[in-house]
Amino acid sequence: EVQLVESGGGLVQPGGSLRLSCAASAFNFKNYWMSWVRQAPGKGLEWVANIKNDGNEESYMDSVKGRFTISRDNTEKSLHLRMNSLRAEDTAVYYCARDLFCPSSRCRGPIFDFWGQGSLVIVSS
Amino acid sequence: QAVVTQEPSLTVSPGGTVTLTCGSSPGVVTSGHTPYWFQQKPGQAPRALIFDTSDKLSWTPARFSGSLLGGKAALTLSGAQPEDEAEYYCLLSYGDARVFGGGTKLTVL
Repeated sequence: EVQLVESGGGLVQPGGSLRLSCAASAFNFKNYWMSWVRQAPGKGLEWVANIKNDGNEESYMDSVKGRFTISRDNTEKSLHLRMNSLRAEDTAVYYCARDLFCPSSRCRGPIFDFWGQGSLVIVSS
Repeated sequence: QAVVTQEPSLTVSPGGTVTLTCGSSPGVVTSGHTPYWFQQKPGQAPRALIFDTSDKLSWTPARFSGSLLGGKAALTLSGAQPEDEAEYYCLLSYGDARVFGGGTKLTVL
């Protein structure tokens, strides 16, 4: 059974840093793009960033560009999100989710068919 | 960054039919945006229902269907059940980036 397990969340002061991790199992991790999606308390879903299966290209939502860095380790089957210069508005549950399947140069969906349970990040003094 | 719009809330009677829509500003939604639809119930992670406009995942109930309608993506629920009461989110792709709509709270009443 496909599993995604996030870790690394917690309470951090404004301006601080945090690193989230996501451990993947039961699927061929190196063939999939991966994404981070967040949800502020009582609010909607926000796509944060994704990374291609070979780790060579990343994309970010505008409000986190220059502050967040997504990375992956295909040997360890892990996904990471380094968050710097954190702001109160970054407070959210952060989910990792499986993105496009790219076994060759041609990629296909569905994306976000599997999600982790989420990791809560609270930015507050 | 693009803005994806959804109805904030809709109500449907049990057994009834309702259509949720998903617009893109600027412009219209096309199949190139690979529209997705997700269902989220309180305290749970989202669950994908529809991908690439109208394709269903293996767990998607037959009563859900996706389409393009009047320049928007649409999710139609035919024969609503009490367990369909949830928040529904659409997602559009803009190149490698993705943008979620604000969500539609669907009440079955």
